[in-house]
Amino acid sequence: GAVVSQHPSRVICKSGTSVKIECRSLDFQATTMFWYRQFPKKSLMLMATSNEGSKATYEQGVEKDKFLINHASLTLSTLTVTSAHPEDSSFYICSASRLATQETQYFGPGTRLLVL
Amino acid sequence: QKEVEQNSGPLSVPEGAIASLNCTYSDRGSQSFFWYRQYSGKSPELIMSIYSNGDKEDGRFTAQLNKASQYVSLLIRDSQPSDSATYLCAVNVMIYNQGGKLIFGQGTELSVKP
Repeated sequence: GAVVSQHPSRVICKSGTSVKIECRSLDFQATTMFWYRQFPKKSLMLMATSNEGSKATYEQGVEKDKFLINHASLTLSTLTVTSAHPEDSSFYICSASRLATQETQYFGPGTRLLVL
Repeated sequence: QKEVEQNSGPLSVPEGAIASLNCTYSDRGSQSFFWYRQYSGKSPELIMSIYSNGDKEDGRFTAQLNKASQYVSLLIRDSQPSDSATYLCAVNVMIYNQGGKLIFGQGTELSVKP
């Protein structure tokens, strides 16, 4: 159990466009979902935490208007990178935790975004 | 500032040896600790969680926690080339009004030589 999927796995887009990434918990209800980004050879950087039905909590320095997060249900969260620029190119990874073991996060496979 | 420190490596061990990965953390209030493995180009995969002082064993993996010293380690016995990856130490910290979140170390790159 505890499988998390992400879609798409890879996306290439033009500068100025918006990209939506979906994160789904397939076999459990995720009370909380997290969004991270990771640059090459670097560790994970938490961008935001989202709970179903409430606004996401963004980490310091992360622009909430640029990285829109929606957590519409207990199995789905989306991250939309608005007006993407080349510096937004990165590996975006979501994770989910469930109520019973809420400190444990299960990671999705990640989405590699390349903005041209 | 809550911090988690790891040696970045690379740590190189011969096949069949024991690999020892270490991690220190700054938040004395943390109660939950995790080791993740990340292969190049992939997302992290949970290996072990540990919550109490002492050792916790799962197959070839043993996690060790010492809260007094704020130290957590991971031992990999009978290391295999397939264990070659970056190992991330993560500590759950509680933030007032926000709940818990994981703070990750920078990761230790392990290379197991055949």
